[in-house]
Amino acid sequence: SYVLTQPPSVSVAPGQTARITCGGNNIGRKSVHWYQQKAGQAPVLVVYDDTDRPSGIPERFSGSNSGNTATLTISRVEAGDEADYYCQVWDSSTFYVFGTGTKVTVL
Amino acid sequence: QVQLVESGGGVVQPGGSLRLSCAASGLTFSSYGMHWVRQAPGKGLEWVAFIRYDGSNKYHADSVKGRFTISRDNSKNTLYLQMNSLRGEDTAVYYCAKEAYSDYYFDYWGQGTLVTVSS
Repeated sequence: SYVLTQPPSVSVAPGQTARITCGGNNIGRKSVHWYQQKAGQAPVLVVYDDTDRPSGIPERFSGSNSGNTATLTISRVEAGDEADYYCQVWDSSTFYVFGTGTKVTVL
Repeated sequence: QVQLVESGGGVVQPGGSLRLSCAASGLTFSSYGMHWVRQAPGKGLEWVAFIRYDGSNKYHADSVKGRFTISRDNSKNTLYLQMNSLRGEDTAVYYCAKEAYSDYYFDYWGQGTLVTVSS
């Protein structure tokens, strides 16, 4: 089965940049999607197909994907960005796979 | 705008059954694949099941295969999840989610419904 590994937590000061990694075997060959889940709420798509943003998602959210690591970058972090973030890919054997999740704390 | 509203959650004993529903609006429901995704308390997201736009193909995660069945009624704009032989590890918030048109991801989610399996 295909496994996606994320750091459990990332802490960042307001105005700084948060980088959340998602590790997987040759993940650079797959399309990676990212979701934000605030406490008590449903997930929200923030980046799809590695780098694209749905309408309404700030430009501060960006993605990249190469080799064995995909990265979600949040620039100029705000208090409202505090949430859990999950990466996700599709795999032919495991179908829809989520990463382990990363809790972003704004200091 | 797209709205997905789940219902049917509750408390059920181990070995029992429950049927979840997801009412969709603001989209041409019959044009899109749909999913169930769950989240155990304090845990991450787990994909549960997918059904094609016309119901012709269904896929279930190994953890629920043979116990859960996804279905849909396009005339009622509603997605279902029939859950049988429930176990404690099935306790979770269950979300319905819409498949994006262009790729394998979830572009809209419902607010979720809580299923608790306990005696």
